[in-house]
Amino acid sequence: EVQLVESGGGLVQPGRSLRLSCTASGFTFGDYAMSWFRQAPGKGLEWVGFIRSKAYGGTTEYAASVKGRFTISRDDSKSIAYLQMNSLKTEDTAVYYCTGGTVTPFDYWGQGTLVTVSS
Amino acid sequence: DIQMTQSPSSLSASVGDRVTITCQASQDISNYLNWYQQKPGKAPKLLIYDASNLETGVPSRFSGSGSGTDFTFTISSLQPEDIATYYCQQYDNLLPYTFGQGTKLEIK
Repeated sequence: EVQLVESGGGLVQPGRSLRLSCTASGFTFGDYAMSWFRQAPGKGLEWVGFIRSKAYGGTTEYAASVKGRFTISRDDSKSIAYLQMNSLKTEDTAVYYCTGGTVTPFDYWGQGTLVTVSS
Repeated sequence: DIQMTQSPSSLSASVGDRVTITCQASQDISNYLNWYQQKPGKAPKLLIYDASNLETGVPSRFSGSGSGTDFTFTISSLQPEDIATYYCQQYDNLLPYTFGQGTKLEIK
């Protein structure tokens, strides 16, 4: 059974940093891209970014709203994807989801982790 | 960015009804279109990928169609457990990936 479990969310002050983790199981993690999405309270879904598999260079892409502040990385030996969030703003407050999959990059979603940016 | 215009924003229907939601892209996205179901407090669930392919394990009453700029999502016979918000998402190679604003489906 495929599982994605996010962790690392919490309350953080504006301007500070936070790192989220997404631990995967049930599929060959290193063979697939991993993505991050977010959903502000009561709002719709927003793509944050993704990291390609090593076979495709392990390169990353980001939404304009987070580019230069957020960094996605992966540790294939541990089946973990990370979202490093720096210079956080109040508008980054959201539930953050990681996704992955074997048919599409969006087959499976984690349960989400809440990040609240507030002073 | 590619804009996704989803309609209606809310919908009330009876059990057994046929329900249709539409999504229009601001430019040609071929068939790079997903449909998701999201229940309150839960993560989105992929139902349809590549515009018309049913994700494994998803009931056959759900279907999708379309290509280019115009897409349709259909529930052939609404069930009580289908109450949720539904989103379309485009994943064309031209980033960023973008979503429709969502359709909140309620039972009449």
